[in-house]
Amino acid sequence: AQSVTQLGSHVSVSEGALVLLRCNYSSSVPPYLFWYVQYPNQGLQLLLKYTTGATLVKGINGFEAEFKKSETSFHLTKPSAHMSDAAEYFCAAPGSARQLTFGSGTQLTVLP
Amino acid sequence: EAGVAQSPRYKIIEKRQSVAFWCNPISGHATLYWYQQILGQGPKLLIQFQNNGVVDDSQLPKDRFSAERLKGVDSTLKIQPAKLEDSAVYLCASSLGLAGGGEQFFGPGTRLTVL
Repeated sequence: AQSVTQLGSHVSVSEGALVLLRCNYSSSVPPYLFWYVQYPNQGLQLLLKYTTGATLVKGINGFEAEFKKSETSFHLTKPSAHMSDAAEYFCAAPGSARQLTFGSGTQLTVLP
Repeated sequence: EAGVAQSPRYKIIEKRQSVAFWCNPISGHATLYWYQQILGQGPKLLIQFQNNGVVDDSQLPKDRFSAERLKGVDSTLKIQPAKLEDSAVYLCASSLGLAGGGEQFFGPGTRLTVL
């Protein structure tokens, strides 16, 4: 079964600094990988999606993620953090019946 | 385009009481999902419908949880009787179909507190 691991349940960065949120999937290569963002008291919103092909994926709000098969990773980055980026971020991969398996989430805090 | 609707947004009940949540997916979306999100964790799939049929309910605690999607559109998730550990946010999501790359659209969730 597919599993997703997010390293670091809490990440703090200063406004304007690089954001790096880590995600590793299990050894079986998934056909798709997702990053979702969840703002307080809201549902999840898709940030970006990887499909087989291009390894660098660009998403909304300046985020991007790079798929690295050799490292079984799909880390999320943003060159310059903004206060509005403060939220919880989830990495997810599809299972056998296309249902999503989510990581445990990373809470991003942006410091002024 | 209207998003996924859920109600109520918040619910507080005593343990052993019953509760029901409602979800209306995006129009035309054949696949509907119910997730349970416990504080500090990622969402966990409870049940997945394709139209009015169940695709996956392997993680649904069937002794107390039930869900239906009778007409293949809106859905109801019920807990009877509730336990303290059921306190969580219940998220509903929908997608066009079972195609693996299909984006899932999430509703705002129902926050359940069991006292």
